[in-house]
Amino acid sequence: NAGVTQTPKFQVLKTGQSMTLQCAQDMNHNSMYWYRQDPGMGLRLIYYSASEGTTDKGEVPNGYNVSRLNKREFSLRLESAAPSQTSVYFCASSEPRVTEAFFGQGTRLTVV
Amino acid sequence: GENVEQHPSTLSVQEGDSAVIKCTYSDSASNYFPWYKQELGKRPQLIIDIRSNVGEKKDQRIAVTLNKTAKHFSLHITETQPEDSAVYFCAAIGGYNKLIFGAGTRLAVHP
Repeated sequence: NAGVTQTPKFQVLKTGQSMTLQCAQDMNHNSMYWYRQDPGMGLRLIYYSASEGTTDKGEVPNGYNVSRLNKREFSLRLESAAPSQTSVYFCASSEPRVTEAFFGQGTRLTVV
Repeated sequence: GENVEQHPSTLSVQEGDSAVIKCTYSDSASNYFPWYKQELGKRPQLIIDIRSNVGEKKDQRIAVTLNKTAKHFSLHITETQPEDSAVYFCAAIGGYNKLIFGAGTRLAVHP
């Protein structure tokens, strides 16, 4: 049972490049989340998906887009990366109010 | 929308002492309050949670209390050990199943 799987684990981008972070969960959870964690900082919600077919903005959505491809997969896209997007990105999934949120191992992204 | 405030941002205690971390939330519809522990370089992991129909929950050296009227909840760690050193996050699920975290508390337990 893999839980929540994120790819890639590490990525270096040049300013202006685009990329997609992938996330998949095998726990049949309805809700999925993308967070960013800056050094020494908390977890800030970028986007979330309460259920398949729905997405909504979190606290810091600017510069990002998401796709809930199906119940298992929730991807995060940076269309034009900026140095301010250098961070560790975590994907999580849960069955809200029933189970805890389970996190992926994180993606360490550096934009130069 | 939901906002979760957490205090203190850093906490230093001697081994064996107790540690208390406090959080407040804004969304009166919130009814689930988890606490996560994050060790350096690792993903956050749940250590305890509480639902709004319960005032207190305990698991060995860890306890959480909830005051719905005042919209605050607290984490209590007793008999702290060096392996308790980590960053602790409180969180709340508000409307639309949005899971919002506090800013975190860096706990250092000194032998």
